[in-house]
Amino acid sequence: SQQGEEDPQALSIQEGENATMNCSYKTSINNLQWYRQNSGRGLVHLILIRSNEREKHSGRLRVTLDTSKKSSSLLITASRAADTASYFCATELGRVNDMRFGAGTRLTVKP
Amino acid sequence: DTGVSQDPRHKITKRGQNVTFRCDPISEHNRLYWYRQTLGQGPEFLTYFQNEAQLEKSRLLSDRFSAERPKGSFSTLEIQRTEQGDSAMYLCASSYGADTQYFGPGTRLTVL
Repeated sequence: SQQGEEDPQALSIQEGENATMNCSYKTSINNLQWYRQNSGRGLVHLILIRSNEREKHSGRLRVTLDTSKKSSSLLITASRAADTASYFCATELGRVNDMRFGAGTRLTVKP
Repeated sequence: DTGVSQDPRHKITKRGQNVTFRCDPISEHNRLYWYRQTLGQGPEFLTYFQNEAQLEKSRLLSDRFSAERPKGSFSTLEIQRTEQGDSAMYLCASSYGADTQYFGPGTRLTVL
């Protein structure tokens, strides 16, 4: 069953703008990960944030985690057309490596 | 090593036929996972191996599905008596211990 739920389902922005995607989940987690998937391709790992962390950065990506609200956000700054993809959050539950994905946010960055 | 590879990339079969997919993980990774992804949805966990031992199976993995990792390296996923509802992308991922899972390109199955 799905665990994470991304919001919005779809997002369309202009190149150079920032994109924010949110993820909510239901149960306690060990960590939360964000992945990107280009159409019809495999998933590319972007960033992992552990349950005891609140914020992480990687290049143009910024991820926050609020365990009290069971939510996370992914911010992509200065977006580029190449950022067009689906973005998924995945939560790792108590059992080892049982990752649950949401349905994803489909981001379109217009040049 | 260039990452996780899967073969074939695409498979079209008729309902009732058996199909087998292969996954080659990153060589030093001891854990291997199978997921299924349908259009517009995120991947759903099917099963995972630590070395050659299958440690976890989802309820999604009906008795028509079987996965093996005989030598703790590559893995196969077989679907017997395929149904149209089995049409999906089958993704494989590997990791070293509890570290990040790295995904392969997937095998897209179409059951006619």
